[in-house]
Amino acid sequence: DTGVSQDPRHKITKRGQNVTFRCDPISEHNRLYWYRQTLGQGPEFLTYFQNEAQLEKSRLLSDRFSAERPKGSFSTLEIQRTEQGDSAMYLCASSHGMVEAFFGQGTRLTVV
Amino acid sequence: AQKVTQAQTEISVVEKEDVTLDCVYETRDTTYYLFWYKQPPSGELVFLIRRNSFDEQNEISGRYSWNFQKSTSSFNFTITASQVVDSAVYFCALTTSYNTDKLIFGTGTRLQVFP
Repeated sequence: DTGVSQDPRHKITKRGQNVTFRCDPISEHNRLYWYRQTLGQGPEFLTYFQNEAQLEKSRLLSDRFSAERPKGSFSTLEIQRTEQGDSAMYLCASSHGMVEAFFGQGTRLTVV
Repeated sequence: AQKVTQAQTEISVVEKEDVTLDCVYETRDTTYYLFWYKQPPSGELVFLIRRNSFDEQNEISGRYSWNFQKSTSSFNFTITASQVVDSAVYFCALTTSYNTDKLIFGTGTRLQVFP
């Protein structure tokens, strides 16, 4: 499968715990995005990488959130001290330049 | 500011009916791109189409067609002879940023096609 891959698909965690999600983009894509989607809403932009450089972060991305893309390949999104409001689907997408972004199937986070 | 509005929250049709999903966008930029994505129950967003602001030609792809009208800031999507497999949430999205291409999504329209 050469699409965007996200792991895990589902994560249930207790409030206050840290969680980390992984995204493997399509191999030749230099751009990688993280979005968050809550129930009944469209995805909202969180952050963007071009190669290994994180070029933009949304105001939605509080200081509890951190994202990395070492060596411009896979990316991780970590949420520290999770809160119930963090429960959402976290979507990763990749693209090559100004073309359509391809999305992964997402990681559904539930904070209990 | 940029914004995408999908006023139809949910639409139900019977198989073989035609259905149009509305999308209205707001932007002050003269160069922008519009998209439609399909999100089936599996959760993955599937790309359907991209249009740039300089190309107002309507497009047809099989049972799908898109009507882009700058005068009304609309980019509507029509499915002809709908099928049960078309059941999904459909999102319209906008990008105006050359630097990041980040997408601004509408709230989506849930389409249910009944047999």
